[in-house]
Amino acid sequence: GENVEQHPSTLSVQEGDSAVIKCTYSDSASNYFPWYKQELGKGPQLIIDIRSNVGEKKDQRIAVTLNKTAKHFSLHITETQPEDSAVYFCAASWDNYGQNFVFGPGTRLSVLP
Amino acid sequence: DTAVSQTPKYLVTQMGNDKSIKCEQNLGHDTMYWYKQDSKKFLKIMFSYNNKELIINETVPNRFSPKSPDKAHLNLHINSLELGDSAVYFCASSHLAGGPSDTQYFGPGTRLTVL
Repeated sequence: GENVEQHPSTLSVQEGDSAVIKCTYSDSASNYFPWYKQELGKGPQLIIDIRSNVGEKKDQRIAVTLNKTAKHFSLHITETQPEDSAVYFCAASWDNYGQNFVFGPGTRLSVLP
Repeated sequence: DTAVSQTPKYLVTQMGNDKSIKCEQNLGHDTMYWYKQDSKKFLKIMFSYNNKELIINETVPNRFSPKSPDKAHLNLHINSLELGDSAVYFCASSHLAGGPSDTQYFGPGTRLTVL
């Protein structure tokens, strides 16, 4: 089955700096890679996603890159703000039934003012 | 206007009891899920269900059972609760059952504490 690794587990950056979180996956059949942000006491919320036919996607300060050959994808947050502080999860999936919707272990991002 | 809602938000109960967590989605989605998030924040799928098929993660004890009265609801029943069941349980839903993978939308979670 799919295995998703995520690094780093914790990340502290100064406000205004960039943050990068990296994930690797094991199943070459995976074709959908979402990123979720989980704030304290809340459920995960989708912030950006990318499909296997695309190498990069950007939405304002957030971007995701995908390297299918190397089986890794990354989340880039520029001009970080204190409200970006949260736990971020990557995930990889290849089927609609969700059984192969596998999450990484999460990265706790702290943006210091 | 909450897309995926869960009740209760907090649930504290004694070991051995039976409890249920309710989930409703108003997105018109075809598929619903239950996840367990442990104390280390690791999210693991327990069930996925659409109107055709229930898929159970083989690691889930049979004390856990999902019940779907209709397409918009997927409730989680837990029998004979154990200390290790303490966790946050998330309901989620997605569109396109039978199609390519699509976005899952999560509820706010239910924090279950077993004493």
